[in-house]
Amino acid sequence: GAVVSQHPSWVICKSGTSVKIECRSLDFQATTMFWYRQFPKQSLMLMATSNEGSKATYEQGVEKDKFLINHASLTLSTLTVTSAHPEDSSFYICSARFQRQANTEAFFGQGTRLTVV
Amino acid sequence: DAKTTQPPSMDCAEGRAANLPCNHSTISGNEYVYWYRQIHSQGPQYIIHGLKNNETNEMASLIITEDRKSSTLILPHATLRDTAVYYCIVQRAGSYQLTFGKGTKLSVIP
Repeated sequence: GAVVSQHPSWVICKSGTSVKIECRSLDFQATTMFWYRQFPKQSLMLMATSNEGSKATYEQGVEKDKFLINHASLTLSTLTVTSAHPEDSSFYICSARFQRQANTEAFFGQGTRLTVV
Repeated sequence: DAKTTQPPSMDCAEGRAANLPCNHSTISGNEYVYWYRQIHSQGPQYIIHGLKNNETNEMASLIITEDRKSSTLILPHATLRDTAVYYCIVQRAGSYQLTFGKGTKLSVIP
């Protein structure tokens, strides 16, 4: 199946710093990618929809100035957590679907474990 | 998208079939049923999806009732590596987003 790769798999950063997470679709083009956040023992919560060449669409309650999303190409979306705080510590996961095919499966990255100290 | 209801947890003996139920009584005619699973500390993995016909692939079978108000995911011969949280998601045709519920935590027991 198609592959979505996230980098890094885990990161530890100091409070107040920024962290960038990359999500790449390795063998297909993805006009739309999705970013999720998952706290321990909870389900995945959609944070935002990343659209290639345009602004991301954020879910209610997600601060767009804190979670910066850039989708500059059909194979790469990045999520930057700015001025990170301990409460931002979480498991961040991206996903992508084949371009213009909604009734197909979504492919997920392996996730990034962010720990803010 | 229609909501789904799944049991919070299930056990299954290794080598036996695991049957995971999902209720989606408010499903609309153009909504698909998707199943994903998430092994601990990994991203979700697609398993199977269907509209109204039963589906089978190398991983599992999906049985959808005739009225489409419920479905069952069947893992024919569960192994320890099938221990995971299984999510049943109903999604409207043409929608890209997936909304995850709490899923069913399947524990495969030796």
